[in-house]
Amino acid sequence: QKEVEQNSGPLSVPEGAIASLNCTYSDRGSQSFFWYRQYSGKSPELIMFIYSNGDKEDGRFTAQLNKASQYVSLLIRDSQPSDSATYLCAPVNQGGKLIFGQGTELSVKP
Amino acid sequence: SQTIHQWPATLVQPVGSPLSLECTVEGTSNPNLYWYRQAAGRGLQLLFYSVGIGQISSEVPQNLSASRPQDRQFILSSKKLLLSDSGFYLCAWSRLAGIGGTPLHFGNGTRLTVT
Repeated sequence: QKEVEQNSGPLSVPEGAIASLNCTYSDRGSQSFFWYRQYSGKSPELIMFIYSNGDKEDGRFTAQLNKASQYVSLLIRDSQPSDSATYLCAPVNQGGKLIFGQGTELSVKP
Repeated sequence: SQTIHQWPATLVQPVGSPLSLECTVEGTSNPNLYWYRQAAGRGLQLLFYSVGIGQISSEVPQNLSASRPQDRQFILSSKKLLLSDSGFYLCAWSRLAGIGGTPLHFGNGTRLTVT
């Protein structure tokens, strides 16, 4: 089992729709979770983090965490073409290191 | 504010040649420093990390090495490049990790092509 699993996509949504990106992780001891966005040819940039079960909202982004199910997700409301990128899920393992998933490619169609 | 500089942005090197990539961080002291590699269409692979001057931990045994000669300087090296070393190399820093971890902040990356 991979440490972090994400659907590689591409996930295609129309402009204005909600994009839902999912991630599962294997380390039950993970306490913190980060979401990064990576545009093609660029380095990853941090967009959200979540520590507690439940939802955390930041503008058009909502992170959702369910530690019992070892599941974390990122919702993007009112998706824009500029949101087209690869989204990387990164739980922090018990050793304190971020473990990155392979990423989900999101394409927002005008 | 903190900034991270990484150079060069692109590099084309022949097989068997040496490599030196440099990364510096400004605006913070005693950061944790990391080198990652991202092969085409692949995820981020942690290569090395450092929690202090001269302290290097290797995650993946290979023909690469890392050094931290100063608090905010991190260098990735190779004596002889292989074709399989091609990829996107990313330097990153984080604050000292407390409970729960702290996020990584990435440099702009170096795209290395070994020919």
